[in-house]
Amino acid sequence: SQTIHQWPATLVQPVGSPLSLECTVEGTSNPNLYWYRQAAGRGLQLLFYSVGIGQISSEVPQNLSASRPQDRQFILSSKKLLLSDSGFYLCAWSVQGQAGELFFGEGSRLTVL
Amino acid sequence: ILNVEQSPQSLHVQEGDSTNFTCSFPSSNFYALHWYRWETAKSPEALFVMTLNGDEKKKGRISATLNTKEGYSYLYIKGSQPEDSATYLCASSGYSTLTFGKGTMLLVSP
Repeated sequence: SQTIHQWPATLVQPVGSPLSLECTVEGTSNPNLYWYRQAAGRGLQLLFYSVGIGQISSEVPQNLSASRPQDRQFILSSKKLLLSDSGFYLCAWSVQGQAGELFFGEGSRLTVL
Repeated sequence: ILNVEQSPQSLHVQEGDSTNFTCSFPSSNFYALHWYRWETAKSPEALFVMTLNGDEKKKGRISATLNTKEGYSYLYIKGSQPEDSATYLCASSGYSTLTFGKGTMLLVSP
């Protein structure tokens, strides 16, 4: 069966510090991979998605970046965090080639102070 | 960019009440409509994925309908139970990505 894991679960970082959130998927090949964020009082916002290794699409301009170094690994990064980066980050995967059902990771709560 | 709207924003009902939520989405370039349940301290989980106008899907006490021509979907919960308390998200999809609404937060009191 397929599983998805992301870490860390909780992170408290000072403004200006770097960020790395990691997500891995097991039990499937060539998945679509996604990073979503829920900021306070807002819905789930798509940040990045990837349809293959090294292929990253960004949905919103920001100081975050994403990378997919391996087929089932998706990393969200920042060189310098802003206060506005605080939120709940969710990684998700779906079957390649269609916007089908999303399977979400456990989430990572980031607080930038 | 798709604008997905959900109403109400929150709802508080008593155990045994039936309730429904609304999701509206642009009807142009429609591919699929998703409903997810997001319980506190858990990950969102898919309830339904619907693609055809007039689709109706049911899972236990929860059902959903879809009208792609006018761009709306309803989610119904019959005989609400405390364990139904969660945020219910709908999302409209293009070919590769989903756009989520802000969700309806449901609280069911015993």
